[in-house]
Amino acid sequence: GAGVSQSPSNKVTEKGKDVELRCDPISGHTALYWYRQSLGQGLEFLIYFQGNSAPDKSGLPSDRFSAERTGGSVSTLTIQRTQQEDSAVYLCASSLEFTYNEQFFGPGTRLTVL
Amino acid sequence: GESVGLHLPTLSVQEGDNSIINCAYSNSASDYFIWYKQESGKGPQFIIDIRSNMDKRQGQRVTVLLNKTVKHLSLQIAATQPGDSAVYFCAELTGGFKTIFGAGTRLFVKA
Repeated sequence: GAGVSQSPSNKVTEKGKDVELRCDPISGHTALYWYRQSLGQGLEFLIYFQGNSAPDKSGLPSDRFSAERTGGSVSTLTIQRTQQEDSAVYLCASSLEFTYNEQFFGPGTRLTVL
Repeated sequence: GESVGLHLPTLSVQEGDNSIINCAYSNSASDYFIWYKQESGKGPQFIIDIRSNMDKRQGQRVTVLLNKTVKHLSLQIAATQPGDSAVYFCAELTGGFKTIFGAGTRLFVKA
């Protein structure tokens, strides 16, 4: 079927506003990951979900960041009170449970905070 | 598309030559090491991986070498093609699903 999809592809917001970024993983993939990629940087791990286990939130940079995964499928990354330093590309990936070494990435959402 | 990193190390090779991209990792307890390729404006794409109990693994035109003594990982691309131009990231898995990515190397292939 289709690969990982993310929406919106681009988001421009004003400082202080909240934003929601959406990820639709590949059907049947139990693991879902969020990363942030700033210009000139590598990928920064934010959070992952695996099945019904508690998510690993160790990469979230502040309490302004949160993520949910509903029904083991779609995930939403929420950034509250956005700051200019939040500007980056937010990438989502998914994988099968036992081949988590091979993650399939979406095209990303480019967030610009003015 | 927009470049994913303006200040990345860059490797420039002639089409048809072999490319070697290097990566140093820090955690000796990592279980898996993975190479991803990221083209401009796209998400990373899995290329090849290697378990920590292996030294070498070959794929189609790519070979990954792991030297645990010096914590070094390399990706060799044979007969480099213009389509190989991209940013290459090494990544490591240290127990479970959390993946830590390196800074990346930009490969530029001259026709």
